[in-house]
Amino acid sequence: GQQVMQIPQYQHVQEGEDFTTYCNSSTTLSNIQWYKQRPGGHPVFLIQLVKSGEVKKQKRLTFQFGEAKKNSSLHITATQTTDVGTYFCAVPKGSGNTGKLIFGQGTTLQVKP
Amino acid sequence: SQTIHQWPATLVQPVGSPLSLECTVEGTSNPNLYWYRQAAGRGLQLLFYSVGIGQISSEVPQNLSASRPQDRQFILSSKKLLLSDSGFYLCAWTTMSSYNSPLHFGNGTRLTVT
Repeated sequence: GQQVMQIPQYQHVQEGEDFTTYCNSSTTLSNIQWYKQRPGGHPVFLIQLVKSGEVKKQKRLTFQFGEAKKNSSLHITATQTTDVGTYFCAVPKGSGNTGKLIFGQGTTLQVKP
Repeated sequence: SQTIHQWPATLVQPVGSPLSLECTVEGTSNPNLYWYRQAAGRGLQLLFYSVGIGQISSEVPQNLSASRPQDRQFILSSKKLLLSDSGFYLCAWTTMSSYNSPLHFGNGTRLTVT
């Protein structure tokens, strides 16, 4: 069945260091979304990537969609303590426009001040 | 603006007891509604989704059921809870006005079955 793998599962960094999480799909994707979940909170939508090779930036966050549209990455430059949380990629489940998403297992980021 | 309300925030229930979690959305009409479950330290698993009143699709076999009695109301239920039903339950909505619109999640319910 359709699978999405996200690595690493955990990442501990010193404040100011960079951070990257990777998402890989077993199938070609029409789009991919990224969410952030703060400790004790609910997932919050960050961005959606649609085009092959697309790169989008949100301040210190850089999102990239692979050329083959089977993988994606989220890179945070110079992490801050406010970046702490779990980052999930999410891909459409099945064909058709149902809005159903399959979430990766998430990467939990810890930032040491 | 659109808002989503989910309650209760936390719940401790004994094994074998019934369950009812409610979710309501305001500020939008005919949303797609979803129930997800998140086990501790893990990703989100889609349980149910609904595209309209009375229309429920189950994604995984389980001890739970869902209902949508009104356009913006989504209910998750169980007749008899199991220990394995413990987890963080999240309701979410989206509009299908554009392709794969983002999901908007409620604050979630932390369920502990003892």
